Amino acid sequence: AQSVTQPDIHITVSEGASLELRCNYSYGATPYLFWYVQSPGQGLQLLLKYFSGDTLVQGIKGFEAEFKRSQSSFNLRKPSVHWSDAAEYFCAVGKTSYDKVIFGPGTSLSVIP
Amino acid sequence: GAVVSQHPSWVICKSGTSVKIECRSLDFQATTMFWYRQFPKQSLMLMATSNEGSKATYEQGVEKDKFLINHASLTLSTLTVTSAHPEDSSFYICSARDGLAGEAGELFFGEGSRLTVL
Repeated sequence: AQSVTQPDIHITVSEGASLELRCNYSYGATPYLFWYVQSPGQGLQLLLKYFSGDTLVQGIKGFEAEFKRSQSSFNLRKPSVHWSDAAEYFCAVGKTSYDKVIFGPGTSLSVIP
Repeated sequence: GAVVSQHPSWVICKSGTSVKIECRSLDFQATTMFWYRQFPKQSLMLMATSNEGSKATYEQGVEKDKFLINHASLTLSTLTVTSAHPEDSSFYICSARDGLAGEAGELFFGEGSRLTVL
């Protein structure tokens, strides 16, 4: 069965600092991996996704993620965090791009001015 | 981009009543929609996969008689919480994918429906 873990429940960073959110998955084959962001009062927004090819994926809002098969990880990074990045971030995995998506527990990001 | 709309966005009901939540894909056809439940400060838990024209597929532990799902058309799926009780209070989110977009199709999420059962 697919599963996703996000070891960090909550992270606080200063504005302008770099950010890395960790994600580990469990799946027998090559998974389809996603990062979503959920801001208060808003719906989920897809930041980026990985299906195949280049293991470093660029997304929206300056985010990127790197797929490391050997570590079963798909960590999200951003070189310089903005106050507007404060939100809940979810890593997710699917068997295919059109199958159900299983979400990790989420990491809450706070940004200090 | 594609939009998924949920209605109502917020509903309060009395214990024992039934509540229907609609999920519509506004500018694409969705052969499959997914229903999630989210408790405060927690992740999204997949409840069921809604397939147009057929029965929904429920995840383990989800009561199919409590959470009735109907996907009558390519643009509409409904979730009915039957005989709602306070423990059913939660944030319900639907998602849908453009059936014609193939592998590149993004999964779009509705903005959610908050149910409060008194």
